[in-house]
Formats: sequence, structure tokens, C-alpha cells
Amino acid sequence: QVQLQQWGAGLLKPSETLSLTCAVYGGSLSGNYWNWIRQPPGKGLEWIGEINDSGNYNNNPSLKSRVTIAVDTSKNQFSLKMSSVTAADTAMYFCARGLAGTGSAFDIWGQGTLVTVSS
Amino acid sequence: SYEVIQPLSVSVALGQTARITCGGNNIGYKNVHWYQQRPGQAPVLVMYRDNKRPPGIPERFSGSNSGNTATLTISGAQSGDEADYCCQVWDTSRVVFGGGTKLTVL
Repeated sequence: QVQLQQWGAGLLKPSETLSLTCAVYGGSLSGNYWNWIRQPPGKGLEWIGEINDSGNYNNNPSLKSRVTIAVDTSKNQFSLKMSSVTAADTAMYFCARGLAGTGSAFDIWGQGTLVTVSS
Repeated sequence: SYEVIQPLSVSVALGQTARITCGGNNIGYKNVHWYQQRPGQAPVLVMYRDNKRPPGIPERFSGSNSGNTATLTISGAQSGDEADYCCQVWDTSRVVFGGGTKLTVL
């Protein structure tokens, strides 16, 4: 059974770079797209971007210039970096698997990482 | 950019049928997925490609999609179904989420 475990710094100052990693256990990266999604406190879900094991990716245009998503197949992990964070980036961040052949249905999620941006 | 609209809240009496809608321009031509999210937890996929149930999701959950509206239907609503429900589509190389609907079971 595939599981996702994520980690990263939870408290950042404005202008710093957010960095999160998600490890895939019980399966491989191949065949699916791997996603980052966030949820500000009390608000809805926002898609950040996705990547596959070949490094092909798509990003949310509204965040594209600040976001880097990478994959490390040797470690079965993928990662998110977001530069120049502000208070508006405070959110719960989730990694999730986009199930192949479904049009990006996210069937497996990480536990979430709360990232707070505050001076 | 494409938008999907959900009602902020839906209420249903215990044991009755709840219907949660997701509106969008010609959404009937898109694959719609639905998530259930309880407070403090990660979302759970409860319906994909309009009307497919993932393993472990009760048959009480069903879905439909036509025209400008997709609908998640929960038959025989239980107290444990009380949660936020969010629809999702894929449009022009990006994922779009609805704002979410809070389901209250009375």
C-alpha cells in the first residue's frame, strides 16, 4: 500500500524559501504524477503543481515564477521549493498522488505540513 | 481561467439524501473528482471521473455530471458524513478546485 510521508520547515520569515519533501513508500514514482497542494487556514484547496518520474511538470500559473518542483528517483522522493514567501503563503501543505488515467484524481495524500510565515 | 462554483453549505436530515453541486461552464465534458475533508485531516477521494467510487467508499456515495453541473449524492446520510466536500477538475494543464461545501447532518 502506497503511503506518502512529508517533512520540512514549519516556520519561515518573509522573503525566505519554503522547502518541503515528500517520500513515497510502498510503491514507485513511475506511472503517476506527484503533486503539491496547499490550504490556507479556513480556506479551500489550491493546487501548486505536479511532476512525474521523468521530470515533466506543470505548475499553477499564479505561483509559477516562485515554485520549483523536483523529483529524486534514487530516493523515491519529490520536493517543493517556493521562494520569497509572504504571510499569504501561510497554509497547510500536502503532497498527493495523481492517479494515472483519471485526470488527476488525488487518491493518496501525505499527512500535511503546516507552514507559517511570520516575522 | 476556468472556475467551479460550490454552495458554501448544505444541510440534510439524518438518513435523508444530500446533494452537493459543482457548477462550471460545460463541466459535463470534464472529469470531476470529489473529496471529503474532516477538520484537521487530509482530504479523502470519495468519487473520481464523475461516478467512480474508490475502494472503501460506501455505495451510499454516488456521482453524476452533465451540462453545467456535477453532483455528489450521499444517500442515507450519517453523522459521520458531516465534513467539507470539494470538487476538482483538470483544465488546460492545471487543476481547479471548488471552494468547498460544508455538509451538516441534522
